[in-house]
Amino acid sequence: QQPVQSPQAVILREGEDAVINCSSSKALYSVHWYRQKHGEAPVFLMILLKGGEQMRHEKISASFNEKKQQSSLYLTASQLSYSGTYFCGTEFGGAQKLVFGQGTRLTINP
Amino acid sequence: DSGVTQTPKHLITATGQRVTLRCSPRSGDLSVYWYQQSLDQGLQFLIQYYNGEERAKGNILERFSAQQFPDLHSELNLSSLELGDSALYFCASSVRQMNTGELFFGEGSRLTVL
Repeated sequence: QQPVQSPQAVILREGEDAVINCSSSKALYSVHWYRQKHGEAPVFLMILLKGGEQMRHEKISASFNEKKQQSSLYLTASQLSYSGTYFCGTEFGGAQKLVFGQGTRLTINP
Repeated sequence: DSGVTQTPKHLITATGQRVTLRCSPRSGDLSVYWYQQSLDQGLQFLIQYYNGEERAKGNILERFSAQQFPDLHSELNLSSLELGDSALYFCASSVRQMNTGELFFGEGSRLTVL
């Protein structure tokens, strides 16, 4: 039931783009994205609902492909502040629990 | 500051012991979630409460139990502790009942079992 994230780690130079994928084997109700900086608590980025629109948070956007049960997080023109571990969380209708993937560690170098 | 308060921030104890972690949700939030994060691991869902009632359960061990009190604070009890229980335990709160909305995470309680 745990979603699968890929890649596990990404290293970028400031200004480069990245894509993080999140896949589920079960039909999804929603996908949630969080970012956790080292030594801190996870912080909410956005929620994508089944049938909903693509969402944005600053220069970070995400999409939800219901057919493939997959979500992708797009980080455009990355900034140093984007460094951290990104987690996708998936929810199945009525389950009332948010199950997170293993995370993708993003490192942005100057 | 998310508004979610967790105590204690750090706890060191021995194998076989029992500990209680406490969480106060944001004002107005009725849902409380507990997650376990081991070193360099993801966030493992343990359990969720809404307004005092258990609503969802993850892979929570039988040695672990939780409850949410009438004032909405929650406690996670861990007993017969093992070395592998060493982890960061996060509490998160949400205003939603059905289908998780935005979760606000506390700073976590770091448990070390020696």
